Amino acid sequence: DIVMTQSPDSLAVSLGERATIKCKSSQSVLYSSNSKNYLAWYQQKPGQPPKLLIYWASTRESGVPDRFSGSGSGTDFTLTISSLQAEDVAVYYCQQYYTTLWTFGQGTKVEIK
Amino acid sequence: EVQLVESGGGLVQPGGSLRLSCAVSGFIFSDYYMDWVRQAHGKGLEWVGRSRNKANSYSTAYAASVEGRFTISRDESKTSLFLQMNSLKTEDTAVYYCVREGKGYCSNGVCNYAMDVWGQGTTVTVSS
Repeated sequence: DIVMTQSPDSLAVSLGERATIKCKSSQSVLYSSNSKNYLAWYQQKPGQPPKLLIYWASTRESGVPDRFSGSGSGTDFTLTISSLQAEDVAVYYCQQYYTTLWTFGQGTKVEIK
Repeated sequence: EVQLVESGGGLVQPGGSLRLSCAVSGFIFSDYYMDWVRQAHGKGLEWVGRSRNKANSYSTAYAASVEGRFTISRDESKTSLFLQMNSLKTEDTAVYYCVREGKGYCSNGVCNYAMDVWGQGTTVTVSS
């Protein structure tokens, strides 16, 4: 199975400041046939199901604010929140969908400093 | 409106069985791959299994932790997805989410998609 490792486990950022979350996969999730990275990011707020933010490593889901961006390729990926808002307090997960069996990172909790 | 509504969760003894249902509406059920994902209380997300679409004969795949004990099926007429869980263990205790794989496309026969619609979840507790 592909192991997904996120860092840090938790993060406290001041309102309006940048938040950066890293995700590393144990093997490449870049599919050479279409040059797509099969990597998604999800946001989960307390008591709610996860919500898709980013797919193909950098494509923002419809309706997701543009302060959220994804980057990276191969095995190293980043989710950036450019200007943290109060409503962004949540746990964020990366997930690879390169090979069935899908795997998630352990999650990164983002809080307000 | 696209909607997934799970039901069937509850308390069951170790070794017992439970069948979860997911009622689907707002999209063509047979066109999409569907998954079950679970989350133990205070823990992260764990993929349980997958049902491919009708064009792929609704074939299934499972996580190693549930292979041989859990079975995913569909009822087209009821536009519902099911998760039959047998030989339940205490470590199966979790919230179970029904999920649609809806973002992406097939490339050279590889059809893998990001999970774009999630249900609210149903809670399964395995305890004596």
